[in-house]
Amino acid sequence: DVKVTQSSRYLVKRTGEKVFLECVQDMDHENMFWYRQDPGLGLRLIYFSYDVKMKEKGDIPEGYSVSREKKERFSLILESASTNQTSMYLCASSLAGGGAKNIQYFGAGTRLSVL
Amino acid sequence: AQRVTQPEKLLSVFKGAPVELKCNYSYSGSPELFWYVQYSRQRLQLLLRHISRESIKGFTADLNKGETSFHLKKPFAQEEDSAMYYCALSNYGGSQGNLIFGKGTKLSVKP
Repeated sequence: DVKVTQSSRYLVKRTGEKVFLECVQDMDHENMFWYRQDPGLGLRLIYFSYDVKMKEKGDIPEGYSVSREKKERFSLILESASTNQTSMYLCASSLAGGGAKNIQYFGAGTRLSVL
Repeated sequence: AQRVTQPEKLLSVFKGAPVELKCNYSYSGSPELFWYVQYSRQRLQLLLRHISRESIKGFTADLNKGETSFHLKKPFAQEEDSAMYYCALSNYGGSQGNLIFGKGTKLSVKP
């Protein structure tokens, strides 16, 4: 079974703090993704990476950055957390290529509260 | 522009009733479509994809290119089907395999 592990289930941070969300996958997937999930807005893509040290902006990258130093690990960084970044953050991974390889596997999520 | 629309935020049915969750898409090429499900306190997971044409947990979904739809159907809903359902379109332009998600439909099956 594919395992995507997010380091924290719940996080509470203060406005202005630098926040790191970590994600690790154990299936040698090339692609990794970070989404935020908000009620009524669905999943919105923040950043994705299709290779080590590669990153691409998604639909809502403002206020976020990412790091992928190793194939299995993809980190989401909030440089200066703000209250509007309070959300559920989901990490996902998939193989490169089309067809069945496009299936994304998700972590359990990190619920971040910024006070 | 590529888009996925799920017109219903909430769908409430009684146990044993048929259920249909609607999904419409806009895409210029050959679409690759998925349904993902998130049960309470569980992670988001794949339910089914149109390529495999399979039935999972009694659910089926048929791609209708003429109507650009990929509606999810089940003839007899069960209480354990209560969950959040997302339709997704593969934005396949190479190897990156991005998915475009709809906003989701919350299905509530009442006893």
